[in-house]
Amino acid sequence: AQKVTQAQTEISVVEKEDVTLDCVYETRDTTYYLFWYKQPPSGELVFLIRRNSFDEQNEISGRYSWNFQKSTSSFNFTITASQVVDSAVYFCALSEAIGANSKLTFGKGITLSVRP
Amino acid sequence: DTAVSQTPKYLVTQMGNDKSIKCEQNLGHDTMYWYKQDSKKFLKIMFSYNNKELIINETVPNRFSPKSPDKAHLNLHINSLELGDSAVYFCASSYTGQAYNEQFFGPGTRLTVL
Repeated sequence: AQKVTQAQTEISVVEKEDVTLDCVYETRDTTYYLFWYKQPPSGELVFLIRRNSFDEQNEISGRYSWNFQKSTSSFNFTITASQVVDSAVYFCALSEAIGANSKLTFGKGITLSVRP
Repeated sequence: DTAVSQTPKYLVTQMGNDKSIKCEQNLGHDTMYWYKQDSKKFLKIMFSYNNKELIINETVPNRFSPKSPDKAHLNLHINSLELGDSAVYFCASSYTGQAYNEQFFGPGTRLTVL
């Protein structure tokens, strides 16, 4: 069975600090996909990134970067120079295929508060 | 322009009532989902449909019945509402049911059962 663990439940930082959100996953599949979603206080879920199990290249998008390491089954997310608008709940998720139909399993989320 | 829309946004009702939540996507996706987010923010899949066919049913009580009249719509009907049904319900869609497709979420429906 697939599982996603986000051990940090709440993180509070001061604006402009860097912050890393941890994600550890478990799966028996060799092919799988990892995602990060953001849920701001307004409540909607926003897709941030997808990474497949064959691509261990790190990804950078502006102030956001992701570090995928299969050896430790981790897919961590770093926000550089955090801003108040980054305050949200961040979910890591894992998708395995069930035949041709996938099931997305979410971690419990990390509540990030960025103080001015 | 809304990609995945849900109605209503808020739903307050009494225990024992029957209610429905509607979901529509205009992305041309084949697969749609319902998720439940509890008070601790935990998100769990309830159902998925691919082209109107039920694919995933995650041990949800049979008081919950999804209905997909066409691939752009997936409605959720809940009978005999209980206090524990209070949650935020999210509809989502993806291009196909394949694992690599990201899912696009609706704005959520906050259901409160009194």
